[in-house]
Amino acid sequence: QQPVQSPQAVILREGEDAVINCSSSKALYSVHWYRQKHGEAPIFLMILLKGGEQKGHDKISASFNEKKQQSSLYLTASQLSYSGTYFCGSILSGSARQLTFGSGTQLTVLP
Amino acid sequence: DSGVTQTPKHLITATGQRVTLRCSPRSGDLSVYWYQQSLDQGLQFLIQYYNGEERAKGNILERFSAQQFPDLHSELNLSSLELGDSALYFCASSVASAGVTEAFFGQGTRLTVV
Repeated sequence: QQPVQSPQAVILREGEDAVINCSSSKALYSVHWYRQKHGEAPIFLMILLKGGEQKGHDKISASFNEKKQQSSLYLTASQLSYSGTYFCGSILSGSARQLTFGSGTQLTVLP
Repeated sequence: DSGVTQTPKHLITATGQRVTLRCSPRSGDLSVYWYQQSLDQGLQFLIQYYNGEERAKGNILERFSAQQFPDLHSELNLSSLELGDSALYFCASSVASAGVTEAFFGQGTRLTVV
């Protein structure tokens, strides 16, 4: 079951903040966040395993609401290098542990 | 460099042909995943292997097959190729079966079917 990401695209200025959401209709075991630059391999950002857990990576952090089966990725004070497509990947509870990705959110940071 | 090696990087072939894509996971990683990414689209999960055994299957066509060998490298075989099979094919590897550890992606094989 593919997670649902929103928004599909975001355009912001350098220094602005952004939030990308990821939700599932089924119980999640874990949520993974990746960033992909055009034509390149996706790069791992973070994994969230427990409800309410929040992790950070430089000025990028994420939360996981296990009760709502939702995760959000927070980009603070965006830098030009943050531009790319962000994918959330989900692994469902009780599943064969396949890592299924959402359709992605295209983030563009302008100077 | 993620440590995951995919070959070839580019492949151009005709419709109806068969090709094999190869993936060498990071040293120590037992799990291999295959994904298909069509132009500007998302990552479609195809199949996952763990230590030589198939663990999960996604929307993989019957014309496609894969296997993981004892040395843990994996191959994705695509046969009776169609124009719509043109895409970037990624392989990823992780230490664990799935869920608790990050997956590292290779640089992908760009397949063009003409």
